[in-house]
Parts: sequence; structure tokens; C-alpha cells
Amino acid sequence: SQQGEEDPQALSIQEGENATMNCSYKTSINNLQWYRQNSGRGLVHLILIRSNEREKHSGRLRVTLDTSKKSSSLLITASRAADTASYFCATDGLTGGGNKLTFGTGTQLKVEL
Amino acid sequence: EADIYQTPRYLVIGTGKKITLECSQTMGHDKMYWYQQDPGMELHLIHYSYGVNSTEKGDLSSESTVSRIRTEHFPLTLESARPSHTSQYLCASRALGVTEAFFGQGTRLTVV
Repeated sequence: SQQGEEDPQALSIQEGENATMNCSYKTSINNLQWYRQNSGRGLVHLILIRSNEREKHSGRLRVTLDTSKKSSSLLITASRAADTASYFCATDGLTGGGNKLTFGTGTQLKVEL
Repeated sequence: EADIYQTPRYLVIGTGKKITLECSQTMGHDKMYWYQQDPGMELHLIHYSYGVNSTEKGDLSSESTVSRIRTEHFPLTLESARPSHTSQYLCASRALGVTEAFFGQGTRLTVV
């Protein structure tokens, strides 16, 4: 089964609003990453947060990590139509030398004008 | 732009055929991955490698096989394609340590 579960599965908002996506995972991790996928394309890395970090910012992105709850959230502020895409969290487990990279189920974000 | 390439981009093939999906990267990355993506978008890890001559099965049981004879090349082979193999296949690579993954554009496989 997938390491990560994300919610909501789909989110529709108006341009200018904030979008929040959540990710929960099952096992202990080295780090957690967020990726974006435009329809039918490969994934693009957005941001990485290490297990000893609680919050990280990059431009309009804000990521939080709560290792006690095994959860993370991605906040996109002041959303734009171009942010329409699917968003995935991914985790590096502590086992296997951190070589596995497993993804969550994803959130489909639609930003309407 | 990531230097990781997948070919073919699209493939329609008949049941029972043997196929190889190619994945190459020019970044010298040690770790490489194959994912199968459902139409409903969930990504399933089917194979990964942490260096030459290392291959591991992922979380999703797959009838495919992989090889890693050269650092830059990680092909995936289906000996006998079936309609249930119809999916998008994504290849990724990354360097050692705590690093981001770079993805190819994917191969959309249809088995008829």
C-alpha cells in the first residue's frame, strides 16, 4: 500500500485564494517532499523538508511537518490559474538506506479565474 | 530542465508482445526508479535501483523486470504484454543523499 495518503482528493478554489493540501504517512521518515504534476506529464519537485524541520517556505509555498502525527501540509498562497495541477507528497523511509521514494495518492487542484 | 529521457512517449502494442521501455539520464545519478501511474493518478513504485548492478522490487507487484548495467540507463521490460499492463510508466532519478527526484515525461502504454 502507499506510504502516503493525501486529502482532499480534489480541491477547487478561486484565483487569489489559498489552497491547503494534507499528507499522512505510515512509517518513520528521513524527509518529506512535495511534487507537482501537470496533466499527463512527469512530476516536478517543489520543496523538501527534513524530519528535524517543522516548517519551510519557498516563494508562495509553505510546508509544515509534524512527525508525531506523521503528517504534512502544503499551503499555496494567492493561488493562480497556472497552479492548476496534481500535487503529491513523497517520503524517504528510514529503512533500505533511504533508497525508496514512495508517493501519496495526490490532490488534484483546480484554480478557477 | 531535467536531463532524463523516456522513450517511447506513446506505445500501442498487441497482447503477448515483448516490450522494453527506455529510461536514460545524463546527470550521473545513482538512484533510479520506475513508477506505474493509474488513470486516477496514484503512483505505484514498481522497481528501483541504488547503483549499477542493483535492482529492487517496489511496493506494487509487477510482471516487469529491470536491469542496471550502466549508471545512466534503467530499462524496463515486459516479456508478454497484457491489457492489464495498460498504464503510464514514469522513470525518475536522483543523486545520493537527501535529494530531489527528477522525472522523465513518461511512457503511455496501451496493450490491445
